[in-house]
Amino acid sequence: AQTVTQSQPEMSVQEAETVTLSCTYDTSESNYYLFWYKQPPSRQMILVIRQEAYKQQNATENRFSVNFQKAAKSFSLKISDSQLGDTAMYFCAFSPQGAQKLVFGQGTRLTINP
Amino acid sequence: NAGVTQTPKFQVLKTGQSMTLQCAQDMNHEYMSWYRQDPGMGLRLIHYSVGAGITDQGEVPNGYNVSRSTTEDFPLRLLSAAPSQTSVYFCASSYSLSGNTIYFGEGSWLTVV
Repeated sequence: AQTVTQSQPEMSVQEAETVTLSCTYDTSESNYYLFWYKQPPSRQMILVIRQEAYKQQNATENRFSVNFQKAAKSFSLKISDSQLGDTAMYFCAFSPQGAQKLVFGQGTRLTINP
Repeated sequence: NAGVTQTPKFQVLKTGQSMTLQCAQDMNHEYMSWYRQDPGMGLRLIHYSVGAGITDQGEVPNGYNVSRSTTEDFPLRLLSAAPSQTSVYFCASSYSLSGNTIYFGEGSWLTVV
C-alpha cells in the first residue's frame, strides 16, 4: 500500500519569505502522480501543483514549485515570496497510475505572519 | 460554474439514525469519490465510482453505502450513524484518465451525537 508522510505538522514564516514543505512517499510503482493541495480555513480543497513521475522536470506554478526526487521518493513544495493568503493547511497526495484516487499525507499547517 | 455540489453543508445526527449526503457534478466526469477528513489527518477514501452503475470500496468503507445511477450524482449513505463517523466529508470528481485534476466539493460537516 502506498503511504505519504509529511513530517512538519506546523510551519510559520514571515511574509515575503520563502518556505519549503516536505513530503515523502512510499510506493513500488514506477509511474504515478503527485499533488499538493491547499486547504484554507474555508476547508475548500484547492489544487496547487501536480507532478507526473515520468517527467524529470520539476513542476512550477507561479510562486509555487516542487523539488521532485524520484529515487529518494521525496516531493517538497517551495513557496516563494510568501503572502498572507498562503496561510492554510497543505496536503501532499499520491495517485497511482491507472487509478484516480488520492492517498494523502497528514498535512502541514502553514502560517504566514505579517 | 457549479462544479461539485454537496448537500447538506452541516448536519447533526443521533446515534443509529441514517442519512444521505448528496453530491452532484456538472462537468460530465466519469470518476466520482467520497473522502472523509478527521482532525490531524489527511483525507481518506471511502468509496469511489468510475462510471454509472460501477462502484468500489476505498480505504475506509465500513458503515457507508453508495450507488451511481447517473453520471452526475453520487450519494453517500450512512446506514446507522455512529460517533466515529463524526467528520468532514468531501465529494470529488474528475475525468477517469490517470493524473487528471480531481475537483472537490466544499465539504459536509457531520456530527453524530
